Amino acid sequence: NAGVTQTPKFQVLKTGQSMTLQCAQDMNHEYMSWYRQDPGMGLRLIHYSVGAGITDQGEVPNGYNVSRSTTEDFPLRLLSAAPSQTSVYFCASNRGSVPHNSPLHFGNGTRLTVT
Amino acid sequence: AQSVSQHNHHVILSEAASLELGCNYSYGGTVNLFWYVQYPGQHLQLLLKYFSGDPLVKGIKGFEAEFIKSKFSFNLRKPSVQWSDTAEYFCAVKGDTNAGKSTFGDGTTLTVKP
Repeated sequence: NAGVTQTPKFQVLKTGQSMTLQCAQDMNHEYMSWYRQDPGMGLRLIHYSVGAGITDQGEVPNGYNVSRSTTEDFPLRLLSAAPSQTSVYFCASNRGSVPHNSPLHFGNGTRLTVT
Repeated sequence: AQSVSQHNHHVILSEAASLELGCNYSYGGTVNLFWYVQYPGQHLQLLLKYFSGDPLVKGIKGFEAEFIKSKFSFNLRKPSVQWSDTAEYFCAVKGDTNAGKSTFGDGTTLTVKP
């Protein structure tokens, strides 16, 4: 039971570099999302997807891109890393069926440092 | 827009003390409410959830929460905490419209002294 798998676990980038955080789930969940966690600020939604080919912005989308070509995968791209993007990133998935009480299943997180 | 407010940022208790963590939400329609826990160095996992029915819901590890619609609240309680409950606790709301978005509170760090 893999659940939600995120890679890498740790990453250090220099300002201006780009990278992709990978996320895959094997639960056939329709919904997937990316959050960043910063001390004292809880989890803030970056982007989310309600199905393959459908993505939308969350609270803090600037500097990040996503795509959802398959149900299983939802990569997060940092186009030009900035120190303000130093954070812990969590990918999550959940069922999209009604009623909408399906909880989020989280990956183990990626700790990103931008110098 | 939906939002969540958690009143306590850091709570310190001794073992066997009772716990209540406050959570208030803002949303104009039907809500689904969740409490998640994050143990040190781990990812978030579900403690309990509410979407309809009995407003008093029970979760894992002896936790419970009460939904009070008139107060827009969903407070988390545990009668007697243990050292192993040391963790960060997050309240979250998800509306029935735009259900792809869950909004989290800022979190409450609970430290239980042995």
